[in-house]
Amino acid sequence: SQQGEEDPQALSIQEGENATMNCSYKTSINNLQWYRQNSGRGLVHLILIRSNEREKHSGRLRVTLDTSKKSSSLLITASRAADTASYFCATLDVDSSYKLIFGSGTRLLVRP
Amino acid sequence: EAGVTQFPSHSVIEKGQTVTLRCDPISGHDNLYWYRRVMGKEIKFLLHFVKESKQDESGMPNNRFLAERTGGTYSTLKVQPAELEDSGVYFCASSPLTGNGYTFGSGTRLTVV
Repeated sequence: SQQGEEDPQALSIQEGENATMNCSYKTSINNLQWYRQNSGRGLVHLILIRSNEREKHSGRLRVTLDTSKKSSSLLITASRAADTASYFCATLDVDSSYKLIFGSGTRLLVRP
Repeated sequence: EAGVTQFPSHSVIEKGQTVTLRCDPISGHDNLYWYRRVMGKEIKFLLHFVKESKQDESGMPNNRFLAERTGGTYSTLKVQPAELEDSGVYFCASSPLTGNGYTFGSGTRLTVV
């Protein structure tokens, strides 16, 4: 299975703290994406990191990619209650140019 | 520009009933995809349309699920008859024919009781 796996499965932190989520995948990739799912808000694309990039920033988000370890991490700094959601990493199926393979997700709870 | 719209946002039906989910992609997006997340597990691909043609329906779980995209615009996903294990969130996404960039809809939360 190419499926990525996130850890931890669930994370509870206090507002203002940083949250780190990790993702592992099994095949070679061109890029890796992170998505957020809020209750009632659907899937929102957060950031894409290409295989030749090691780190990428977007606002309070920092993503790293280690292709040698087939892993990625998503760091949310100075978390807010509104960051409460499930976070997923996703890669493209190696046999497809369009099919996304999602990890199992990390449920993040940011306590006010 | 309007995003991907899904209707209804929530649906609660009894086991054995039929439910039809609708997805309106971004105008001009020829690619349309259905995904679902059941029982809090990972999000899985169901199928892919290019315009009105089914390009890949390898993720459809069984023949109780029927997807259509008549005219290459909006798509429907019908579950008939619904079973308890069909409960979950069904996502639709669209993308242009060339270039990258999925846009997902807000999903339909289906509960089968």
